[in-house]
Amino acid sequence: AQTVTQSQPEMSVQEAETVTLSCTYDTSESDYYLFWYKQPPSRQMILVIRQEAYKQQNATENRFSVNFQKAAKSFSLKISDSQLGDAAMYFCASNAGGTSYGKLTFGQGTILTVHP
Amino acid sequence: DGGITQSPKYLFRKEGQNVTLSCEQNLNHDAMYWYRQDPGQGLRLIYYSQIVNDFQKGDIAEGYSVSREKKESFPLTVTSAQKNPTAFYLCASSIGGGQVRGYTFGSGTRLTVV
Repeated sequence: AQTVTQSQPEMSVQEAETVTLSCTYDTSESDYYLFWYKQPPSRQMILVIRQEAYKQQNATENRFSVNFQKAAKSFSLKISDSQLGDAAMYFCASNAGGTSYGKLTFGQGTILTVHP
Repeated sequence: DGGITQSPKYLFRKEGQNVTLSCEQNLNHDAMYWYRQDPGQGLRLIYYSQIVNDFQKGDIAEGYSVSREKKESFPLTVTSAQKNPTAFYLCASSIGGGQVRGYTFGSGTRLTVV
């Protein structure tokens, strides 16, 4: 069974600064993918970034990047040059193969506040 | 534009009633999923379907039922057996399995018991 843990219920950052959201996961699968989703006040889930477990290189999408530590089962999200529009709930998720094929397991979420 | 449509946006249920939440997608995705979101608990999987006429229970299926008669549609019924149905419900879809691209989500239905 998979578990995904986000240990930071809330985080805050000043506009234009950098913030890192933490995520750890546990899976017995060797082939899996990791995701960060953003849920703004509209509650629409938006895919921010994804990482394939077999790739060594950390994924990046503009101001968003991840620090993927496979041995430590850690998958943190770094937001650079934070903007007011980044304020949202952020969910880490894991999508493993094998018997869990196709199902996403989510963490509890981290509420990010961006101060002007 | 392709996407997932959930309706209604808000739904009120009386004690003892069954209610059905609609989820329709025009993305030609094979797999569809229902998640429940409660404060402080993230999203939990209720049911999922990877092909038409087949579906599997997720982690919290008790008190819920689904059908998958068409590829485009995956309605969720919240039955009177669900003791605490007040929550935000999200429907999602993916291209068979969802390992690469992740999921596309609908905009959700907020269900309240009155």
